[in-house]
Amino acid sequence: QQQVKQSPQSLIVQKGGISIINCAYENTAFDYFPWYQQFPGKGPALLIAIRPDVSEKKEGRFTISFNKSAKQFSLHIMDSQPGDSATYFCAASKSGGSNYKLTFGKGTLLTVNP
Amino acid sequence: EAGVVQSPRYKIIEKKQPVAFWCNPISGHNTLYWYRQNLGQGPELLIRYENEEAVDDSQLPKDRFSAERLKGVDSTLKIQPAELGDSAVYLCASRSIGNSPLHFGNGTRLTVT
Repeated sequence: QQQVKQSPQSLIVQKGGISIINCAYENTAFDYFPWYQQFPGKGPALLIAIRPDVSEKKEGRFTISFNKSAKQFSLHIMDSQPGDSATYFCAASKSGGSNYKLTFGKGTLLTVNP
Repeated sequence: EAGVVQSPRYKIIEKKQPVAFWCNPISGHNTLYWYRQNLGQGPELLIRYENEEAVDDSQLPKDRFSAERLKGVDSTLKIQPAELGDSAVYLCASRSIGNSPLHFGNGTRLTVT
């Protein structure tokens, strides 16, 4: 059972364009939704995260939109740059002490063409 | 602040051989995780430690995998014997208390031939 479903599997965007990656989750107990960025040969690194008490969170060119009723959240990358080319993973977890265990989506390979 | 350190970075072994991976978490991080990442997939949790106690090992294939975290700091993940399907990147991660984020190391890429 895949608890976090991510789409698309791959995405090609022109420099300056908007990249949008979507995720859906099943477990209504999840209350922490991070996005990780992974470059080849590196471990995933936290990019931005949101909790369900807000519908949107923005950090620079990166925005998470969250729809609790639909159990969906998405990552928007504005003004995409070639340096943003990487694999992006959404994840979800129940937060708080012993419940903290991230479940990851399968990833989206983003390519930003110059 | 030094990040999570893993070694070796790469390991190639023949099937049925043993292999071990080592992880040194960020100083002061009580919680340590081992994840496995298959090619083109997201990381999947194998085991989670709170200090030296394994609090979640439900996804660890216990017939061939073992892990330890002596003194609640460094950790070792072992596979014996390795199978072809074990080829993957093994990631270690750590976090502090409360709602702090997870920090990953760069992983060990295992190839079983």
